[in-house]
Formats: sequence, structure tokens, C-alpha cells
Amino acid sequence: DSGVTQTPKHLITATGQRVTLRCSPRSGDLSVYWYQQSLDQGLQFLIQYYNGEERAKGNILERFSAQQFPDLHSELNLSSLELGDSALYFCASSIRGGQNTGELFFGEGSRLTVL
Amino acid sequence: AQKVTQAQTEISVVEKEDVTLDCVYETRDTTYYLFWYKQPPSGELVFLIRRNSFDEQNEISGRYSWNFQKSTSSFNFTITASQVVDSAVYFCALKGTYKYIFGTGTRLKVLA
Repeated sequence: DSGVTQTPKHLITATGQRVTLRCSPRSGDLSVYWYQQSLDQGLQFLIQYYNGEERAKGNILERFSAQQFPDLHSELNLSSLELGDSALYFCASSIRGGQNTGELFFGEGSRLTVL
Repeated sequence: AQKVTQAQTEISVVEKEDVTLDCVYETRDTTYYLFWYKQPPSGELVFLIRRNSFDEQNEISGRYSWNFQKSTSSFNFTITASQVVDSAVYFCALKGTYKYIFGTGTRLKVLA
């Protein structure tokens, strides 16, 4: 158990809809990362937050947005969903207590299926 | 620019064989971290090892060993006496200043 919690674990929705994925980082971790993994694909970095502020941005579509709240949990919002958005979305956290030991701790992922 | 290359898309071995997964990286950062993660069929990503750019010591943990060579920008992972439970996708990753860059992964199939 990595200590990172993601909900929901599975989500099935239709094209054009909007969903929100939630992530609770490990206790004390200040940084949250979001990754997308499409079928048999690698991990595509979407966005990183550190202590509530956006720190780095990757290949995140304009239809997607994210935020990190004061309690450090994060949400990834996906709107106007398309079939190609079907993927496993991972949240990861790091930087516990200000000491960056480097490794990411991943949640179990949220599997999104768009029909 | 940073880049991680895992040229081996898929490897199949028979149980008890040794197998090496290759990872080559590119970075201009002088301080960086390298990682290996395992993604078993259940889907979660499991951290295996971290190595920083100033530590070129090889590491052994049970049947796992890692060979970090800055001269060739490689961070290879060897599993000795592979087991069926080692079947998974293995990702190599690089962290520079902020971003983590993952390779495309190597799918390892260990056959009984």
C-alpha cells in the first residue's frame, strides 16, 4: 500500500460527459502528479502541483484541468470526453516534509472507460 | 531535453533464466535521479529503486540488481533466476529539476 488513494477505481461514462478524479496523497507529501496511461502505452505526464500551486505541465489537453486543495488532495477534471480519453489515470505523490527523496508513490489508478 | 529510452518492448524468458532490462537516458542536468518501477498485471505501479547521479555504485537486492553507468548514460536492471511472479511491465524513469520522464516500458513475460 503506497498510501496514495485514488477514487473512483473504475468509471464508465459516455462521450461528451465530464468526470472528476480524486487523489489523496500520502500523509505529509506536498506534491501531486497526474499521469495518463492509455492501453499498452507508457505513462504520459499531465500536470504537477506542489503545495497548492501548479509546478509543471505536460501534455495535458485543454479539456482537462486539475487543482490541488489546501488539504493537499487533488482533483483532475476531464470534460467533453472522447473515446480516446479512455485510459488509466494515475496520481502520485512525493516530497514528504520538504525532503525530496525523489521517488514517486503511485495510487492504484482510476480506470476511465468512455463509450 | 530529457529522454528515457527502453528499446526492448517485450522480453520472454523461461523461469530461472537471468534477464536484463535496458534503460538509456538523456539529460543536461548535473543532478538527477533514476528509478525503476514495476507494473504487474493488476495495474499498480510499484517503486523498485532510486539512484542519484552522484552514486554510481551498483546495487543488489535479492534477485534484483542494477548497473548504473554515467559514461554510457545507462541504468540497466537485471533479474537473476527469474520467476513467473516477475512478469510485469517495467518502467525506467528520470527526474531532473521537476519533471519525471518515464520510458515506454518493457513487458517481461516469464514462462513456467
